[in-house]
Amino acid sequence: QKEVEQNSGPLSVPEGAIASLNCTYSDRGSQSFFWYRQYSGKSPELIMFIYSNGDKEDGRFTAQLNKASQYVSLLIRDSQPSDSATYLCAVINSGYALNFGKGTSLLVTP
Amino acid sequence: DVKVTQSSRYLVKRTGEKVFLECVQDMDHENMFWYRQDPGLGLRLIYFSYDVKMKEKGDIPEGYSVSREKKERFSLILESASTNQTSMYLCALGPGGGLAVQETQYFGPGTRLLVL
Repeated sequence: QKEVEQNSGPLSVPEGAIASLNCTYSDRGSQSFFWYRQYSGKSPELIMFIYSNGDKEDGRFTAQLNKASQYVSLLIRDSQPSDSATYLCAVINSGYALNFGKGTSLLVTP
Repeated sequence: DVKVTQSSRYLVKRTGEKVFLECVQDMDHENMFWYRQDPGLGLRLIYFSYDVKMKEKGDIPEGYSVSREKKERFSLILESASTNQTSMYLCALGPGGGLAVQETQYFGPGTRLLVL
């Protein structure tokens, strides 16, 4: 079974701080990596995707990929209470089906 | 805007009933997926379909079947509902079909199913 691992949290950060969310994956052949945000009672919403080693920035979000170490991370700068949600890491191993981690719960405190 | 709709937001059924969950998209995507989401277990893939009348088993297909007679509609069927199928069911559009990945990762609103 190809695994995608995340710390369940909760990760608590003060408003304005940087939140760092991490994810490791077991399939070395994985090519595409995604971060979803899921508010309680809602469906997941894609916020970032990354294919290449290094950093990818989009507004307050930065995705980081290190294929040699098989990890992908998400940084959220200037965290806001509205960022409080569960963040899901997902990987495409083969074909087009997503393999999800169990998610990390983030709480941003005012 | 992409629209993925699911037939019901909440559903209550009895053990042994046949249950149909429908997913409809307006984007003409080939690839559609059914997941279930449970606390502590995350999102797990039940079935997916790459095209009309085509289906592939995911990680947990037991107790489920699917139907894709038209491109825009992908149905999940619980042949004989059981209490352990109480869950949140999520339909998604996947990448492929010549479209960029970032354009196709959409989830429907979900159906919360309770089997009594």
